[in-house]
Amino acid sequence: DAGVIQSPRHEVTEMGQEVTLRCKPISGHNSLFWYRQTMMRGLELLIYFNNNVPIDDSGMPEDRFSAKMPNASFSTLKIQPSEPRDSAVYFCASSFHSGEGEKLFFGSGTQLSVL
Amino acid sequence: KQEVTQIPAALSVPEGENLVLNCSFTDSAIYNLQWFRQDPGKGLTSLLLIQSSQREQTSGRLNASLDKSSGRSTLYIAASQPGDSATYLCAGAGSYQLTFGKGTKLSVIP
Repeated sequence: DAGVIQSPRHEVTEMGQEVTLRCKPISGHNSLFWYRQTMMRGLELLIYFNNNVPIDDSGMPEDRFSAKMPNASFSTLKIQPSEPRDSAVYFCASSFHSGEGEKLFFGSGTQLSVL
Repeated sequence: KQEVTQIPAALSVPEGENLVLNCSFTDSAIYNLQWFRQDPGKGLTSLLLIQSSQREQTSGRLNASLDKSSGRSTLYIAASQPGDSATYLCAGAGSYQLTFGKGTKLSVIP
């Protein structure tokens, strides 16, 4: 398996522009997570999907952020309009949620810079 | 709300030394405790997962322990190697959500 695939690896954009980050989870996994990592705040959960349904979006910072999972093999995180404070590394992760503990598999992340 | 703390933030050791990384958490009602490794510019790689009913897990030179009553976990690395240099993060799991510490950056000096 190729693991969790994220694109793009790097994104540089100007303030006010729309940014779309993409994620392909591991085949067979039913849970998908979007995290944001910064030096100041560490890793923060933005949103959690189970079986393509958003279960917890309490970590989404504001209405400028939205996430979708139209099918089991694809998810997007969109920021519109983007702001400099959105600059961070955004990770997608997936797992198979069985009610017990299961390992979380991370993608390589998208380094977002908003100028 | 779960809070996870890792001390120290950075650690430097000579090659071959055994070392312990520490992790503490505030809410003992965790499903599991996971240790991850993060290399610069990369994602996180799961190293060990300890279920709430377990006390420890081992993989090669790595051994992780869990003490729910004291809210602590340790990651023991035996005979450290330069290739072990990375940031190590622990995370406490609720039903689905992992709360991460900020990590310990380990440097193993040849």
